[in-house]
Amino acid sequence: NAGVTQTPKFQVLKTGQSMTLQCAQDMNHEYMSWYRQDPGMGLRLIHYSVGAGITDQGEVPNGYNVSRSTTEDFPLRLLSAAPSQTSVYFCASSRAQGWNEQYFGPGTRLTVT
Amino acid sequence: DAKTTQPNSMESNEEEPVHLPCNHSTISGTDYIHWYRQLPSQGPEYVIHGLTSNVNNRMASLAIAEDRKSSTLILHRATLRDAAVYYCILRDNYGNAGNMLTFGGGTRLMVKP
Repeated sequence: NAGVTQTPKFQVLKTGQSMTLQCAQDMNHEYMSWYRQDPGMGLRLIHYSVGAGITDQGEVPNGYNVSRSTTEDFPLRLLSAAPSQTSVYFCASSRAQGWNEQYFGPGTRLTVT
Repeated sequence: DAKTTQPNSMESNEEEPVHLPCNHSTISGTDYIHWYRQLPSQGPEYVIHGLTSNVNNRMASLAIAEDRKSSTLILHRATLRDAAVYYCILRDNYGNAGNMLTFGGGTRLMVKP
């Protein structure tokens, strides 16, 4: 199993540009989520999904959209990038909601200038 | 979810045991205690979790106080690869719609050869 994969690893955007961060898992997990980690801080939940076709907002959803058309993929869209969205983005998955063990991807480091 | 308190940093010698403390005096009866770690430039990695009893797995042991107001993650023999930020997280598995893990500051463990 590849586990949770994320692309790209690094990205630089100009303010106002849009882009999609990709996340995929090959473990047939129902639950997937996106977190962001700002320098020296813990992770904060952006959006999550409890299964294909179902998404909901986390702690810091503004400026981001998600969709879940398949079990495997959970892309995160930045609609109009702002410098405040400069961060490292992690995707995570787990077998189901409430499951104790979550698996995290390697992260995407995004810089918005 | 209730708050946790951890030391900012700890140091250990290689091949010696490490005890990482966590205080959670406002823990509720349905909060599980989770530990994750984050190696440099990587995503968080699940270590162990428990509710009331002490737990062991291939990575570590978790000792939970009888009143559940504190817990200790035990690495039996620290290696250089164990140098990471260790996060102690409380989560109500049943009341947490987003499966959210609330990451605090964590403890930065440094391992000396």
